[in-house]
Amino acid sequence: NAGVTQTPKFQVLKTGQSMTLQCAQDMNHEYMSWYRQDPGMGLRLIHYSVGAGITDQGEVPNGYNVSRSTTEDFPLRLLSAAPSQTSVYFCASSYRRRSGETQYFGPGTRLLVL
Amino acid sequence: AQRVTQPEKLLSVFKGAPVELKCNYSYSGSPELFWYVQYSRQRLQLLLRHISRESIKGFTADLNKGETSFHLKKPFAQEEDSAMYYCALSGPDDYKLSFGAGTTVTVRA
Repeated sequence: NAGVTQTPKFQVLKTGQSMTLQCAQDMNHEYMSWYRQDPGMGLRLIHYSVGAGITDQGEVPNGYNVSRSTTEDFPLRLLSAAPSQTSVYFCASSYRRRSGETQYFGPGTRLLVL
Repeated sequence: AQRVTQPEKLLSVFKGAPVELKCNYSYSGSPELFWYVQYSRQRLQLLLRHISRESIKGFTADLNKGETSFHLKKPFAQEEDSAMYYCALSGPDDYKLSFGAGTTVTVRA
């Protein structure tokens, strides 16, 4: 199993550009989520999904869109990139049997917005 | 609102010395508590969770509901323990994790 995969590993954008960060998992996990990691702030939840066709906002959703058309994929879209979105982005997934399930993280995407 | 506080950004200890990472939380109810670790060039992974009451790699964490704390401890630190450690919580019927700011641990020889 590849686990949770993310592409690209690194990306540079100009202000105003749009892009999609890809996330995929092959563990048949129902729950998937996106976090951003910023120094001194830990990881903050952007959006999450409890299954195909179901998404919801996390703590910092502004400027990001998500969709979940399949169980495996959970892409994160930046609509119009801003320097404040410079960060490291992590995708995570877990089973949905109960709370307290281990969440499995991808390797991260480092994004720089100029 | 739920919140996780890790007061130490950096922690430096000598090999063989005890290490304690502090974590305090704010939650109206009974949360699930976790410690996640990120070693250099590796992805974030679960270290331990309070419901399991387990010891992983020599680390233990005790939930103190009175003090709303979940401190991580290891009696004898090893160089391979150098990493970033995150305390996290989720609600009992929830899957979303709230993370603290993280503590970078450096174990010196």
